[in-house]
Amino acid sequence: NAGVTQTPKFQVLKTGQSMTLQCAQDMNHEYMSWYRQDPGMGLRLIHYSVGAGITDQGEVPNGYNVSRSTTEDFPLRLLSAAPSQTSVYFCASSYRAYNEQFFGPGTRLTVL
Amino acid sequence: AQSVAQPEDQVNVAEGNPLTVKCTYSVSGNPYLFWYVQYPNRGLQFLLKYITGDNLVKGSYGFEAEFNKSQTSFHLKKPSALVSDSALYFCAVRDITGGGNKLTFGTGTQLKVEL
Repeated sequence: NAGVTQTPKFQVLKTGQSMTLQCAQDMNHEYMSWYRQDPGMGLRLIHYSVGAGITDQGEVPNGYNVSRSTTEDFPLRLLSAAPSQTSVYFCASSYRAYNEQFFGPGTRLTVL
Repeated sequence: AQSVAQPEDQVNVAEGNPLTVKCTYSVSGNPYLFWYVQYPNRGLQFLLKYITGDNLVKGSYGFEAEFNKSQTSFHLKKPSALVSDSALYFCAVRDITGGGNKLTFGTGTQLKVEL
């Protein structure tokens, strides 16, 4: 099992550019989520999904879109990058919403 | 709304001494509680969880946590700290009845274990 994989590991964008952060898991987990980690603020939930075709907003969804067309993949799209979106992004998955989550290695994003 | 507080940004402990990392929570219903650890430049790793049952929960690497409903706390403990325990620790809560499918994390506590 590869677990939860994220690409890219690092990314630098200019303000206004768009991009997609990729997340995949091979554990047949129903629940997947995206968090951002900022110093002193812990992890904040951006979007989550309880299964293919079902997504919902978390705590800080503005400026981000998600889709879940398969069980394995849960990409995060930045529509028009802003400096405030400079952060480390983590994808996580679990069998069900109430189970412990497995985290990917993270993507460090800088928006200039 | 559900929330988690980790009142200490940093905890310093000498190797071999017991350690405690504090966590308090607020939920409208019953909580699912978790502890995760993050080593530098890595993703979070699950340590332990409380769902129901025994208030003392044992987890990975010799860590344990005690669920205290009256004090709404879920402190992480270890009897004898190791230098390798130095990392960032996160407490998280999910409200079983009122929080839907969202997990809320605390701001994290940096644990530093020194020789």
